[in-house]
Amino acid sequence: DVKVTQSSRYLVKRTGEKVFLECVQDMDHENMFWYRQDPGLGLRLIYFSYDVKMKEKGDIPEGYSVSREKKERFSLILESASTNQTSMYLCAIQDGIYEQYFGPGTRLTVT
Amino acid sequence: QKEVEQNSGPLSVPEGAIASLNCTYSDRVSQSFFWYRQYSGKSPELIMSIYSNGDKEDGRFTAQLNKASQYVSLLIRDSQPSDSATYLCAVTRNTGGFKTIFGAGTRLFVKA
Repeated sequence: DVKVTQSSRYLVKRTGEKVFLECVQDMDHENMFWYRQDPGLGLRLIYFSYDVKMKEKGDIPEGYSVSREKKERFSLILESASTNQTSMYLCAIQDGIYEQYFGPGTRLTVT
Repeated sequence: QKEVEQNSGPLSVPEGAIASLNCTYSDRVSQSFFWYRQYSGKSPELIMSIYSNGDKEDGRFTAQLNKASQYVSLLIRDSQPSDSATYLCAVTRNTGGFKTIFGAGTRLFVKA
């Protein structure tokens, strides 16, 4: 079974703080993704990575950056958190023929 | 027009009935199609994948794909209250690099 873990289930941060969300996989998957999910908007891709130190912007990269120093770990960074970044953040890995498997998610609240 | 469209619901069916969930997509070069189930407060879980026209069955679930009509559906037979969740349709295309687009989801309620 594919296992994807995320560092926190719930997180509360203040406006302007730098926020790190971590995602770790237990297999040797190359492709990893960060999404945010908001009611009515569905899942939107923020960034993805297809190998160590490789990253590609998704549909909504503004205000975010990522880091992938090791194959198993993909971090999402909010450089200066804002209230409009309050959301559910989901990490996923790709397996098989484009199948994606998600971590448990981090519900981030920015006050 | 959204790339992947689903009726947001809620779709309400009685226990034991067939639930029919529908999804349309706009890009004809789409190649891979998925259904995810998401319980409230949880992350999406892959339940079905389908890659060619026709039906694919897995237990109580049947995925149907019609590429000519750009339509994919999920049938849940003998619906159970535990099937109550939001179902996300996802479509992947591979042109100049792959991309997966998710629909916003259909909420399903199965009444006991």
